Amino acid sequence: KNEVEQSPQNLTAQEGEFITINCSYSVGISALHWLQQHPGGGIVSLFMLSSGKKKHGRLIATINIQEKHSSLHITASHPRDSAVYICAVRSRGNEKLTFGTGTRLTIIP
Amino acid sequence: DTAVSQTPKYLVTQMGNDKSIKCEQNLGHDTMYWYKQDSKKFLKIMFSYNNKELIINETVPNRFSPKSPDKAHLNLHINSLELGDSAVYFCASSQDRTGSPLHFGNGTRLTVT
Repeated sequence: KNEVEQSPQNLTAQEGEFITINCSYSVGISALHWLQQHPGGGIVSLFMLSSGKKKHGRLIATINIQEKHSSLHITASHPRDSAVYICAVRSRGNEKLTFGTGTRLTIIP
Repeated sequence: DTAVSQTPKYLVTQMGNDKSIKCEQNLGHDTMYWYKQDSKKFLKIMFSYNNKELIINETVPNRFSPKSPDKAHLNLHINSLELGDSAVYFCASSQDRTGSPLHFGNGTRLTVT
């Protein structure tokens, strides 16, 4: 079992829908990252958080440390949001990141 | 201005050859990384350097050798390439080693034939 699990693996939605991608992890962490990998392959860091909630434009990331769970929300989704979204955690006392297997999001116009 | 640049973008080579991938960051970051993304798109850390010092060395065959001539550069040299080395290799950097956001290069797709 991977230390970091994401759900769903694949998600297809209509333009405008509210999107939620989930990430659960099994270890104590110092930080959690959300990354976006475009169809062309490039990877962009969206958020790094260790508690609470962060917002950037239409993207919102939340984390619940007690439940070992994070969610990434996209409001008013758009076809350009189509990408793979990857959750990664940095374990406490460990400098390396452990990655989830990603969620492939497709937004249909 | 490209923040993290890696070259080449594509690399096709035959088994047994030796090849290098170069990475440079102009962000003034202290920490640089090499990640491997396999055919299932799963990312895994290979190496990390902080101020030219190796701080993470995952279970990677010793055919892979990172070299950091200065903190802005982290190159990856691979000896005796094997079919299983085919993957996309990403370079990344962060301000420090304790958990600042990552900045990725565009990746190098290595195909070993």
